[in-house]
Amino acid sequence: AQSVTQLGSHVSVSEGALVLLRCNYSSSVPPYLFWYVQYPNQGLQLLLKYTTGATLVKGINGFEAEFKKSETSFHLTKPSAHMSDAAEYFCAVSDGAGTALIFGKGTTLSVSS
Amino acid sequence: GAGVSQSPSNKVTEKGKDVELRCDPISGHTALYWYRQSLGQGLEFLIYFQGNSAPDKSGLPSDRFSAERTGGSVSTLTIQRTQQEDSAVYLCASSLGRLTNEKLFFGSGTQLSVL
Repeated sequence: AQSVTQLGSHVSVSEGALVLLRCNYSSSVPPYLFWYVQYPNQGLQLLLKYTTGATLVKGINGFEAEFKKSETSFHLTKPSAHMSDAAEYFCAVSDGAGTALIFGKGTTLSVSS
Repeated sequence: GAGVSQSPSNKVTEKGKDVELRCDPISGHTALYWYRQSLGQGLEFLIYFQGNSAPDKSGLPSDRFSAERTGGSVSTLTIQRTQQEDSAVYLCASSLGRLTNEKLFFGSGTQLSVL
């Protein structure tokens, strides 16, 4: 069965600094990988996803993630943090074979001015 | 409707009572998920419905939890004999296709408080 580990329950950065949120997965087959974001008092929304093809995936709001099979990782990055990026971020994995989408425990991103 | 609708938005109940939580997915979406969100636990998978296939119940934490989906649309999550540890936000999500690479659309959730 697939699983997801998000390293760091809280990450704090300064405005303008690099954002790096870590995600490692476990899957017995090539995975589908996702990042979802939950802004304060809002519902979850898709940030980006990897299914097949190019391993560097670009999402909304300047975020991107790279699928690295050898490292079983799908880390989320953004070159320059903005105050509006403060939110909770969830990594998720599916094996695409009709099984459920499994989420990690989430990482709360704080951005200070 | 325009999005995934969940009701009630808030539910306060006494320990030992049964509760029913409702989810109306986006029309035409074949996949429906229930998740539980609590502090420090992230999104815990509960159950997954896909079309007319048998649901994946592997995430249900105990036999007090059950869910059904009628006519491939509306779903009800039932928790019997509620316990304080059941307090959480229960989220429903739906997606269009049969493959699990599809984008999930989430409802706003039901905040369940068990006193």
